[in-house]
Amino acid sequence: NAGVTQTPKFQVLKTGQSMTLQCAQDMNHNSMYWYRQDPGMGLRLIYYSASEGTTDKGEVPNGYNVSRLNKREFSLRLESAAPSQTSVYFCASSEGFGGRGGNQPQHFGDGTRLSIL
Amino acid sequence: AQKVTQAQTEISVVEKEDVTLDCVYETRDTTYYLFWYKQPPSGELVFLIRRNSFDEQNEISGRYSWNFQKSTSSFNFTITASQVVDSAVYFCALSEWNFNKFYFGSGTKLNVKP
Repeated sequence: NAGVTQTPKFQVLKTGQSMTLQCAQDMNHNSMYWYRQDPGMGLRLIYYSASEGTTDKGEVPNGYNVSRLNKREFSLRLESAAPSQTSVYFCASSEGFGGRGGNQPQHFGDGTRLSIL
Repeated sequence: AQKVTQAQTEISVVEKEDVTLDCVYETRDTTYYLFWYKQPPSGELVFLIRRNSFDEQNEISGRYSWNFQKSTSSFNFTITASQVVDSAVYFCALSEWNFNKFYFGSGTKLNVKP
């Protein structure tokens, strides 16, 4: 069972470079999420997609863009990377649909460790 | 305002001790859900439990138990007879039915020493 797959697992970028983090789920889930995890701050929501074709900002969206390519895939793009975006990024999915789906647990990928020099 | 507070940053116990991880949440919704996740040193996030706001019955699963009290807006997690394999960061999370968003606490790092 693949679940939620994130690529790449590790990446080092220089300030100003761009990059897209990929995420795919094979559980036929409607909702997908991108979080960043920083020491002492838990997980903070960057963007989420409550259903195919929709995306919404989370708590910390600045500097990021997302694309819900289809039901399976949800990508996160850094257009001009900054050292403050050094973090571990997690993608997650859940069965929740539309605006009402918070009752379903999220399933997480293994994370992408991103360092920006 | 922070929706989920885990005031214990780090806890260290000796194997076989019982330990309780605290979680306090804040919401105006009457329908909401609470979750606990475990993040072992390997880094993945593992779902442990979900409770809804209408079910205050405590739950036990093996050595794990959860105490949900709406009166104090708390959803505490107890590990009985802790083991070294319980060493991890534990996150409490809240979701509000109408918004399909999840709010995570900052996590509690549990160190279980042999």
